[in-house]
Amino acid sequence: GNSVTQMEGPVTLSEEAFLTINCTYTATGYPSLFWYVQYPGEGLQLLLKATKADDKGSNKGFEATYRKETTSFHLEKGSVQVSDSAVYFCALRRKTGFQKLVFGTGTRLLVSP
Amino acid sequence: NAGVTQTPKFQVLKTGQSMTLQCAQDMNHEYMSWYRQDPGMGLRLIHYSVGAGITDQGEVPNGYNVSRSTTEDFPLRLLSAAPSQTSVYFCASSGGKEYYEQYFGPGTRLTVT
Repeated sequence: GNSVTQMEGPVTLSEEAFLTINCTYTATGYPSLFWYVQYPGEGLQLLLKATKADDKGSNKGFEATYRKETTSFHLEKGSVQVSDSAVYFCALRRKTGFQKLVFGTGTRLLVSP
Repeated sequence: NAGVTQTPKFQVLKTGQSMTLQCAQDMNHEYMSWYRQDPGMGLRLIHYSVGAGITDQGEVPNGYNVSRSTTEDFPLRLLSAAPSQTSVYFCASSGGKEYYEQYFGPGTRLTVT
């Protein structure tokens, strides 16, 4: 079946450090891939997406590249800020049928000044 | 636009009580979903709807009922609450041209004692 595996957190960084959060997936066919972010006390918001192999999604300084050969979609940011502290979820969606999202377990990022 | 709204924000129930979590969206989205979020398990799909009058089960439907009489509203009913239903519940909607992007409500934190 379809599944998403994320690195365990929390990830603790100092401001301006480089961020990588790993995400790998298992799916039949070629799903669409997403990163969602959840700030404290809020619902999830779409951060970025990629719909086919080699696509790079980017938003707010975050990037992730759809790697079919390694079935990965790692999230990166060159210089994190305190305001980036949140929980990050990797997710996939089949391209056929109802667009059910399959989520990873989430990775908490804590950025200190 | 209010987006996706959920009520209540917090609720405490005793085992065996029933209640309805409310969800409404004002974006005229055809797709609506309910998820539960538990520590270490990410988000899991409870029920979803692809339009008014049409609902289907997700991966964890037991103990929950839904109906979709209008495009705007998608209530989730707990018929006889159990401690295992202690969780944070999120409603989401999507549709239109960018149907792959799900918009999440702020969540309802439910505790069953």
